[in-house]
Amino acid sequence: NAGVTQTPKFRVLKTGQSMTLLCAQDMNHEYMYWYRQDPGMGLRLIHYSVGEGTTAKGEVPDGYNVSRLKKQNFLLGLESAAPSQTSVYFCASTEDNEQFFGPGTRLTVL
Amino acid sequence: RKEVEQDPGPFNVPEGATVAFNCTYSNSASQSFFWYRQDCRKEPKLLMSVYSSGNEDGRFTAQLNRASQYISLLIRDSKLSDSATYLCVVKTRTGGFKTIFGAGTRLFVKA
Repeated sequence: NAGVTQTPKFRVLKTGQSMTLLCAQDMNHEYMYWYRQDPGMGLRLIHYSVGEGTTAKGEVPDGYNVSRLKKQNFLLGLESAAPSQTSVYFCASTEDNEQFFGPGTRLTVL
Repeated sequence: RKEVEQDPGPFNVPEGATVAFNCTYSNSASQSFFWYRQDCRKEPKLLMSVYSSGNEDGRFTAQLNRASQYISLLIRDSKLSDSATYLCVVKTRTGGFKTIFGAGTRLFVKA
């Protein structure tokens, strides 16, 4: 099992550009999450999904959109990137209490 | 006040030392508690859950104090490989479940 995978691993954007981060899991988990991690701060929840076709806002959803068309995939979109969105983005899926994380995407917005 | 607070460290300890981290949480309705480990530039991974009675996994001991709203992690006989950031995680049921991650405590174990 690959667990949770994320693409791309690194990306540099210019302000105003758009992009989509892809998260895939092969553990048949219902719950999936997108977090961002910034220095000195804990992981902050952007959006999450409790199942295929459903999404909900987390703590810091502004500037991001998500879709969960298939159970195994959870996409995070940035429609118009801003420098404040420079961060490391982690996707996770969960079974019971343990969250399984992907390796992260390092995004820089210039 | 942050919902979950940790001393950011860094803690610099020699191999073989015993080191303890504390984490405080603000919501008394919090139900589940965990310690995750995050290596540099890697994803977080579950280290252990924390139970009310306290629990041990090899050199690691976790304890929960509900009255004072803090959890602790004790590492005995530190190894170089223990160098990492340790994240305190609290799960609270408020409507749905909400999981809050602390900012982490950095540990450096030196030879």
